[in-house]
Amino acid sequence: AQRVTQPEKLLSVFKGAPVELKCNYSYSGSPELFWYVQYSRQRLQLLLRHISRESIKGFTADLNKGETSFHLKKPFAQEEDSAMYYCARIRPYGNNRLAFGKGNQVVVIP
Amino acid sequence: EAQVTQNPRYLITVTGKKLTVTCSQNMNHEYMSWYRQDPGLGLRQIYYSMNVEVTDKGDVPEGYKVSRKEKRNFPLILESPSPNQTSLYFCASSPEGYEQYFGPGTRLTVT
Repeated sequence: AQRVTQPEKLLSVFKGAPVELKCNYSYSGSPELFWYVQYSRQRLQLLLRHISRESIKGFTADLNKGETSFHLKKPFAQEEDSAMYYCARIRPYGNNRLAFGKGNQVVVIP
Repeated sequence: EAQVTQNPRYLITVTGKKLTVTCSQNMNHEYMSWYRQDPGLGLRQIYYSMNVEVTDKGDVPEGYKVSRKEKRNFPLILESPSPNQTSLYFCASSPEGYEQYFGPGTRLTVT
């Protein structure tokens, strides 16, 4: 069963506009969620995790247990934000394994 | 420099010819994983390992083998590659399984 859902495959936004990437997860206790990012020609890397509650590169993500969501937001998109973004969660009963969503390609238009 | 390395980075091969993609990490991580990345399907885990000699299947293990004889190495073996295994492969390591450190990727084409 799909544990992490990212509905949009491709998101195009203009520079300076807000960007929001949606992520929903299947409910199971107290989830731990993450956002990973893959810039062009770079390896996949951790962007942020919900327990740290910090802002990285202007991005924030709030865990909403009522809506089972962990949407990624940035108020003003920059060209360097163009990348592939993956939402991930620790699998329930999964030996500390991560389950990834299908990813969102973000294109920031100058 | 702390890193995960993969070799080769690019490989074109023919159906049925056995191949191995190596993965090595120098961070003394317990956990290592292999993923494949395909358009529209995202990242899917092939195999993972929680420690030396401890491996288990991920979501899409068919057609793949792994071994973990040493902590730092986690090779991916395709005994008889087929065209549907054409993909971008990533190795990753992690100290605890959550924060994954990814390799640069290996682009495999099977004709």
